[in-house]
Amino acid sequence: DVKVTQSSRYLVKRTGEKVFLECVQDMDHENMFWYRQDPGLGLRLIYFSYDVKMKEKGDIPEGYSVSREKKERFSLILESASTNQTSMYLCASGWGSRKDTQYFGPGTPLTV
Amino acid sequence: AQRVTQPEKLLSVFKGAPVELKCNYSYSGSPELFWYVQYSRQRLQLLLRHISRESIKGFTADLNKGETSFHLKKPFAQEEDSAMYYCALAPFGNEKLTFGTGTRLTIIP
Repeated sequence: DVKVTQSSRYLVKRTGEKVFLECVQDMDHENMFWYRQDPGLGLRLIYFSYDVKMKEKGDIPEGYSVSREKKERFSLILESASTNQTSMYLCASGWGSRKDTQYFGPGTPLTV
Repeated sequence: AQRVTQPEKLLSVFKGAPVELKCNYSYSGSPELFWYVQYSRQRLQLLLRHISRESIKGFTADLNKGETSFHLKKPFAQEEDSAMYYCALAPFGNEKLTFGTGTRLTIIP
């Protein structure tokens, strides 16, 4: 069974704080993704990574950065948290192949 | 750029009635379409994809390239179908998904 875990169940941070969200997958997936989920807006891709140390911007990368030093771990960083970054953050992972899909973590609700 | 539109934010259906969740897309190339579902207090998971042509939990979806649609259908709704449903698109050979805004389906007992 594929397992994608996210480090925090929920977070409350002050504006201007640096925030780290961590995601770990145990299936040796090549690709990992960070989304935010907002009511009425659906899921929007922030960043994704298709290999260690490789990253690509998604649709809404502003205010975020990412790090992937190991294949199983993908971190999302909010350099200076702002109130408009209050959201549910979802991590996903998947093979670099059309034969499979993305597997999602449980989500981390962040309140700034 | 690709786009996915789910016109209904909320949909309520009586138990036993047919269900149809609408999804339209715009993409110039050959897309791969998916439906994802999120039940209450559970993580988002794949329900079905168009290339599999399978029925999952009684749901089916047919890709209509002429109408650029991928509507999700079930002939007889069940209470356990209440959930948030997202339609998603990936360009051919690409894992980058674009999601719609979602439809919250409520089945009325």
